[in-house]
Amino acid sequence: GENVEQHPSTLSVQEGDSAVIKCTYSDSASNYFPWYKQELGKRPQLIIDIRSNVGEKKDQRIAVTLNKTAKHFSLHITETQPEDSAVYFCAATFTGTASKLTFGTGTRLQVTL
Amino acid sequence: SAVISQKPSRDICQRGTSLTIQCQVDSQVTMMFWYRQQPGQSLTLIATANQGSEATYESGFVIDKFPISRPNLTFSTLTVSNMSPEDSSIYLCSVQGAARTRTDTQYFGPGTRLTVL
Repeated sequence: GENVEQHPSTLSVQEGDSAVIKCTYSDSASNYFPWYKQELGKRPQLIIDIRSNVGEKKDQRIAVTLNKTAKHFSLHITETQPEDSAVYFCAATFTGTASKLTFGTGTRLQVTL
Repeated sequence: SAVISQKPSRDICQRGTSLTIQCQVDSQVTMMFWYRQQPGQSLTLIATANQGSEATYESGFVIDKFPISRPNLTFSTLTVSNMSPEDSSIYLCSVQGAARTRTDTQYFGPGTRLTVL
């Protein structure tokens, strides 16, 4: 069935360092991969997404890479800041499920001073 | 992106009762979804709210427990019926297909925090 695995579950980095979160998916025909950031008590916010016709996308300090052959995609945050501390979720749409998103289990990122 | 509101923002309910959660969008959207997020967990899709027809439920969720309405392109309700403490969770609506957005991008409402005693 549809499955998205996400690692690590928790990640602690020092301010200024980079953070990488990885996800793998089960359906080779998946074509849309968004990343959401959820701060404590807040709604999930879309921070970046990538579609299957693109290998990499960057938006300031955030980048996402997609490897369709290996069926994995990653979120990269450079020059981390305390305000990057949050839970990050990857997601994917699967063939035949139209617009439905399947979410990863989440990564709690803590940026320490 | 669309402006999405949910009512109530939180509630504390007694077991055996029902609660209806409303989701309102400030513009017409193509798709509306309802998710559940249990404490410290990821988001699980409950159902897709279909305008003018019955919702499409995911495995493990049934209409008798989570009846859903979507009378138009800007509004949907989710009812949590015959509640038990296991239903304590955050319930989120999401929308897709708002004007000036990509058709596959989903945006979330602020959520409703439900506690069942």
